[in-house]
Amino acid sequence: KQEVTQIPAALSVPEGENLVLNCSFTDSAIYNLQWFRQDPGKGLTSLLLIQSSQREQTSGRLNASLDKSSGRSTLYIAASQPGDSATYLCAVETSGSRLTFGEGTQLTVNP
Amino acid sequence: DGGITQSPKYLFRKEGQNVTLSCEQNLNHDAMYWYRQDPGQGLRLIYYSQIVNDFQKGDIAEGYSVSREKKESFPLTVTSAQKNPTAFYLCASSSRGTGYGYTFGSGTRLTVV
Repeated sequence: KQEVTQIPAALSVPEGENLVLNCSFTDSAIYNLQWFRQDPGKGLTSLLLIQSSQREQTSGRLNASLDKSSGRSTLYIAASQPGDSATYLCAVETSGSRLTFGEGTQLTVNP
Repeated sequence: DGGITQSPKYLFRKEGQNVTLSCEQNLNHDAMYWYRQDPGQGLRLIYYSQIVNDFQKGDIAEGYSVSREKKESFPLTVTSAQKNPTAFYLCASSSRGTGYGYTFGSGTRLTVV
């Protein structure tokens, strides 16, 4: 059974810092990995999707990497802003078109 | 604009009552999903459907039922058999097959009163 772990569970940083969120998964037979953002009481917003054959994806200040063989992904946020405060979720898609989620990293960026 | 609409945003259920959560998408996606989110437990899959008139149980299907009569719609019924229904429910959709991302709705918060 696929298991996804996100570290750290919570992170508080001053505005302007670069930061890294970590995601690991137990079964490397994935089709893709997706990073989402969730604001309190809201749905999930997709940030980046990395196909299993790709190593990284970039969107603005966000960069996500994937090392399928070691079962790891990182989400790098450059020059963090208070508006980046949210919970970040990592999810992997496996056979049968199923997503397995980590429990998320709650990020607080302080002005 | 294309997207997923969930309604209502908030729902209150009395003990022993069945309630239905609505999920509609205009993305022309084949697959649709229902997830439950509890504090500290992440998202868990309830049911999913990859094509009209077909659906499969997820990891926590007991006490829930679904239908998929139209491509655009995938309603979830929380039955009285679900003993702890208070949670945040999220609907999602994706294009059929692997390699495509998922789109989520804004969620329904269900509370038992």
